[in-house]
Amino acid sequence: GIQVEQSPPDLILQEGANSTLRCNFSDSVNNLQWFHQNPWGQLINLFYIPSGTKQNGRLSATTVATERYSLLYISSSQTTDSGVYFCAVATTSGSRLTFGEGTQLTVNP
Amino acid sequence: GAVVSQHPSRVICKSGTSVKIECRSLDFQATTMFWYRQFPKQSLMLMATSNEGSKATYEQGVEKDKFLINHASLTLSTLTVTSAHPEDSSFYICSALGQNTGELFFGEGSRLTVL
Repeated sequence: GIQVEQSPPDLILQEGANSTLRCNFSDSVNNLQWFHQNPWGQLINLFYIPSGTKQNGRLSATTVATERYSLLYISSSQTTDSGVYFCAVATTSGSRLTFGEGTQLTVNP
Repeated sequence: GAVVSQHPSRVICKSGTSVKIECRSLDFQATTMFWYRQFPKQSLMLMATSNEGSKATYEQGVEKDKFLINHASLTLSTLTVTSAHPEDSSFYICSALGQNTGELFFGEGSRLTVL
């Protein structure tokens, strides 16, 4: 099956700093999603981005499908950004997602 | 976005009992739902694909007789953990495909503790 690698596994920032999270995948994909898992476990949809670039407030994401990677940018980080960020991909549209191992982000005040 | 709701959010049960978890798509119809399992400090692992009106498709290593999945309507899928044991304690999360989109939406998750 498809392999999904996220880096870095852990990231500690001071409030206000910027960061870039990376997701590499081993095969062509028709779906790529970024999630933030909050402390209660709920997965919050950040981006549905099988290709191209999107922005939502302080967050933006870029997927370069031909080179099999995606980046999640967090600018002016806040303590509420802390949590685990997952990248997940599917090789067929509408099929199950395969998750990476996640990036544990800690933003200190 | 589409809303997926799970119930219960937390359940504690004794070893040997069965527990049912419900997953509902609140504002859309979902012909396909997915059930994931997450152990502490780990990623999400797919357990099974639930198809409305037909049998679920289980991932390798997942016991279908232990994790019963029923998808009887376009808005409801259920996961029943039968004869639960402490090693079944985990966080179970369902997801559904939004209508007219390839995006998957997730429920709040259900934390099962088996004593």
